[in-house]
Amino acid sequence: AQKVTQAQTEISVVEKEDVTLDCVYETRDTTYYLFWYKQPPSGELVFLIRRNSFDEQNEISGRYSWNFQKSTSSFNFTITASQVVDSAVYFCALSEAVTSGTYKYIFGTGTRLKVLA
Amino acid sequence: SQTIHQWPATLVQPVGSPLSLECTVEGTSNPNLYWYRQAAGRGLQLLFYSVGIGQISSEVPQNLSASRPQDRQFILSSKKLLLSDSGFYLCAWSPRVGNTEAFFGQGTRLTVV
Repeated sequence: AQKVTQAQTEISVVEKEDVTLDCVYETRDTTYYLFWYKQPPSGELVFLIRRNSFDEQNEISGRYSWNFQKSTSSFNFTITASQVVDSAVYFCALSEAVTSGTYKYIFGTGTRLKVLA
Repeated sequence: SQTIHQWPATLVQPVGSPLSLECTVEGTSNPNLYWYRQAAGRGLQLLFYSVGIGQISSEVPQNLSASRPQDRQFILSSKKLLLSDSGFYLCAWSPRVGNTEAFFGQGTRLTVV
């Protein structure tokens, strides 16, 4: 069965430190997508990135970077020079095909990041 | 552009009372629709998804039901709420074409007392 594991329940860092959020997944699909979402205190899930299973290039967007390694089934998320505004719960997710054009999204349990000033 | 609306934002209901949460999507046609629940301090659990009007798939047995009376309307219901139904409910949609991300509403915080 499809599964996403975020082993880190909560991480606390001091502002300006780098932090990496781990994500390990299991899937039987050969084609799939991985996602990261941010959930600030307001509760709404904010989409951060989507990664295709065929594209293992790392991606960088400002202070955010993502490391996708198919060999270890991991899709880790690094925040460089963390800021207080980065404090949130971060979810990793995996798509699972159910019919043509329809996918379910399997979420990990999330990692709560606290950035202290 | 596409938008998703979910209401109410917060709700306090007594045990045994009915529930109706509504979600609508604008700016797209024939979307996939989803209801997720997030219990306090826990991850997101998929409750229902729908690929079209009247087509509902349930992921877990529970006290809740879902309906899709119109293409862009998704409703989560219960006839009699339980204490364990408390949580944060999120509606989401995704396009029918391609494997893309899901877009979420702002959520409804339900407290059953």
